[in-house]
Amino acid sequence: GQNIDQPTEMTATEGAIVQINCTYQTSGFNGLFWYQQHAGEAPTFLSYNVLDGLEEKGRFSSFLSRSKGYSYLLLKELQMKDSASYLCAVTQIGGGYNKLIFGAGTRLAVHP
Amino acid sequence: SAVISQKPSRDICQRGTSLTIQCQVDSQVTMMFWYRQQPGQSLTLIATANQGSEATYESGFVIDKFPISRPNLTFSTLTVSNMSPEDSSIYLCSVFASGRLPARETQYFGPGTRLLVL
Repeated sequence: GQNIDQPTEMTATEGAIVQINCTYQTSGFNGLFWYQQHAGEAPTFLSYNVLDGLEEKGRFSSFLSRSKGYSYLLLKELQMKDSASYLCAVTQIGGGYNKLIFGAGTRLAVHP
Repeated sequence: SAVISQKPSRDICQRGTSLTIQCQVDSQVTMMFWYRQQPGQSLTLIATANQGSEATYESGFVIDKFPISRPNLTFSTLTVSNMSPEDSSIYLCSVFASGRLPARETQYFGPGTRLLVL
């Protein structure tokens, strides 16, 4: 089985930095994704980590520790448009192919 | 990247009827995934569709309720059968598309089909 935990809700101020944590327990781990989902829209890809360490992409960074089953998404210089749900998802190998299992998501509210 | 389209984008259906959702991808892909996202919740994988074989269903989902077709490498359908209000949800089609590095694959999502069952 698998278990993915992330906070339900977070709030932050425009211009600040926020870190969204994700812990997971799964078999056949083959990488971790972060997705952004605005209300009423499909999820959009933010980052992918398969090796330990930090991946930086503009204002967004993602970190992975496989030994600890832990990841975080770091958002810098927050903007109002960053208000969205952030989904942590783990790639699991099974039956010869990868499948993506999602956490419950973290709703981030950015306020002025 | 992969461009995914779904039809219909939304529908309102009566209890007891069935709806077939279509998913079209602009490139050939091995696996296609169907997810459900109930109001205010995250995504739940329904099944994985591989061309030329029966779909693989996740725990809690059965073929009689969610039959899937995968006639070729760019197209799939998901049918929601004998619908009840509990089936009201967004249904999303998804595929992996290879990124620049062999080890990296990114999963892309279609725009979703918003279903309301009365």
